[in-house]
Amino acid sequence: DTGVSQDPRHKITKRGQNVTFRCDPISEHNRLYWYRQTLGQGPEFLTYFQNEAQLEKSRLLSDRFSAERPKGSFSTLEIQRTEQGDSAMYLCASSFTGGNYGYTFGSGTRLTVV
Amino acid sequence: KQEVTQIPAALSVPEGENLVLNCSFTDSAIYNLQWFRQDPGKGLTSLLLIQSSQREQTSGRLNASLDKSSGRSTLYIAASQPGDSATYLCAVGTDSWGKFQFGAGTQVVVTP
Repeated sequence: DTGVSQDPRHKITKRGQNVTFRCDPISEHNRLYWYRQTLGQGPEFLTYFQNEAQLEKSRLLSDRFSAERPKGSFSTLEIQRTEQGDSAMYLCASSFTGGNYGYTFGSGTRLTVV
Repeated sequence: KQEVTQIPAALSVPEGENLVLNCSFTDSAIYNLQWFRQDPGKGLTSLLLIQSSQREQTSGRLNASLDKSSGRSTLYIAASQPGDSATYLCAVGTDSWGKFQFGAGTQVVVTP
């Protein structure tokens, strides 16, 4: 068990380009969460999955954002037509149903839109 | 909507002093509360998780208390060390699915 892995660690993209991030949760964790964090702020909830089902999406997640978790394993978060306001740290966390809801976070993907 | 506030936003203490970090929340109907540590540019590390039925949790030099009725939690770190320098975030569990509402954090510097 190597914890929650996120790839890439850093991404610099030009405005208008599409980007995709990947998260590999702890293997026995069936819940997966995406959060976004901007400088000086706490993480803000974006969406979460139980197994392959996406159960809730925040209003922060505009139509340009889409997340998937095929087969209930890894997850991807795609941002289409990136804007400068999308620049942030994108954090993934996983947990296990029936446990104590304690999270394990990944190290995050830092997105910079130029 | 649940709002989580952490005051102060930053503090600096000399090594050896005890740290007291405060978290307040507006809706007492919480499922649990979790304290995290975040080092610059890194992800979050869970420190302590308190279930809504609990009053406190302890791990080593760390102790977290929870008073739902007053909407407060306090994280105590005994005998602080320079390695404790980090941002500490409080997160309130808002539902049974494990979703959390975070505060903005308290940035702590422990000086040798």
